Amino acid sequence: DAKTTQPPSMDCAEGRAANLPCNHSTISGNEYVYWYRQIHSQGPQYIIHGLKNNETNEMASLIITEDRKSSTLILPHATLRDTAVYYCIVRVNTGGFKTIFGAGTRLFVKA
Amino acid sequence: NAGVTQTPKFQVLKTGQSMTLQCAQDMNHNSMYWYRQDPGMGLRLIYYSASEGTTDKGEVPNGYNVSRLNKREFSLRLESAAPSQTSVYFCATKRERGTDTQYFGPGTRLTVL
Repeated sequence: DAKTTQPPSMDCAEGRAANLPCNHSTISGNEYVYWYRQIHSQGPQYIIHGLKNNETNEMASLIITEDRKSSTLILPHATLRDTAVYYCIVRVNTGGFKTIFGAGTRLFVKA
Repeated sequence: NAGVTQTPKFQVLKTGQSMTLQCAQDMNHNSMYWYRQDPGMGLRLIYYSASEGTTDKGEVPNGYNVSRLNKREFSLRLESAAPSQTSVYFCATKRERGTDTQYFGPGTRLTVL
């Protein structure tokens, strides 16, 4: 699975969009980009995933660059409850069963 | 529909004691996982089970054993607990082989003195 690089922490004002970047320059053609988040003391929560097209669901949007070497998770109107650690993971969908969660980005949403 | 449940929520052990962490799911998923998370760190895979009756090692299996006796339950056993095993343990399931969408339990906070 491709390695990902994320900033260790970010701040965002409540009500504003939070844009979380992820670099995955060694991504392969069949690898998907997944995002999870972990709110303090809870289990991680799936947010969104995509291959090459931009994706949107009720939680967030995922923007993947044309060369697929980086992506951005967008929380359109961040709330205090979005304060969490966000993990970007790159892996094939039909590959093995192991998922590696790195250190992620700690997002602080401030009032 | 409880999703993924874990017991106990908290546990304190003395060095050398044994215990079993329980995980159960009602999502009818084939794949189940055990992770540990140390303070300020990401998650590391201990063991996983692709289906009932099968298990395989993850990144950090030493000191642990697992059992997948049926589709619903996946247990993690510490035979002789060590302080290095102080951590938060998460169980997870995965919907199907073709996706990496995992669903996590609330975690078990284990302290080994």
